Amino acid sequence: AQSVTQPDIHITVSEGASLELRCNYSYGATPYLFWYVQSPGQGLQLLLKYFSGDTLVQGIKGFEAEFKRSQSSFNLRKPSVHWSDAAEYFCAVGDGAGNMLTFGGGTRLMVKP
Amino acid sequence: KAGVTQTPRYLIKTRGQQVTLSCSPISGHRSVSWYQQTPGQGLQFLFEYFSETQRNKGNFPGRFSGRQFSNSRSEMNVSTLELGDSALYLCASSPSLDSSYEQYFGPGTRLTVT
Repeated sequence: AQSVTQPDIHITVSEGASLELRCNYSYGATPYLFWYVQSPGQGLQLLLKYFSGDTLVQGIKGFEAEFKRSQSSFNLRKPSVHWSDAAEYFCAVGDGAGNMLTFGGGTRLMVKP
Repeated sequence: KAGVTQTPRYLIKTRGQQVTLSCSPISGHRSVSWYQQTPGQGLQFLFEYFSETQRNKGNFPGRFSGRQFSNSRSEMNVSTLELGDSALYLCASSPSLDSSYEQYFGPGTRLTVT
């Protein structure tokens, strides 16, 4: 069965600092990987996704993620965080057969002024 | 284009009652998936419907059921509510079963069971 681990439950960074959110997955074949963001009281918004090809993927809002098969990781990065990035971030894996996703537990990002 | 809408947005029910939640996908989208979000268990997949057929089902008891209509709108039903069913229920729509297409999530229905 597939699984996703986000080791950091909470992360606090200063505005303007760089950000890296960790995600490790367990899946037998080539996974479909996603990062979503959820603001308070809102649904989930897709930041980026990886299916195949270039292992560095660019997303919306200046985010990028790198797929590393050898480490079973798909970490999310942003070079300079803005106060509006404060939210909860979820990594997810799918098997490509349908839209069922397995989510990690989420990382809550706080941004200090 | 209107986004995914879910009704009602908030709901309070008593243990033992049943509840029906509704999800209207983005126009043209034929896949609707449902997720339960709780502080303890996180986001868990409930089921997915495509063209009125259930395609996938998560590991939830039979009290949780759903259906999809010919216009792609979907409902989920929870019978004999338990306190642990208190959660945010999210639905997501997609034009296809192909995971390469983006899933769009609605704002959710916040269910509180007392």
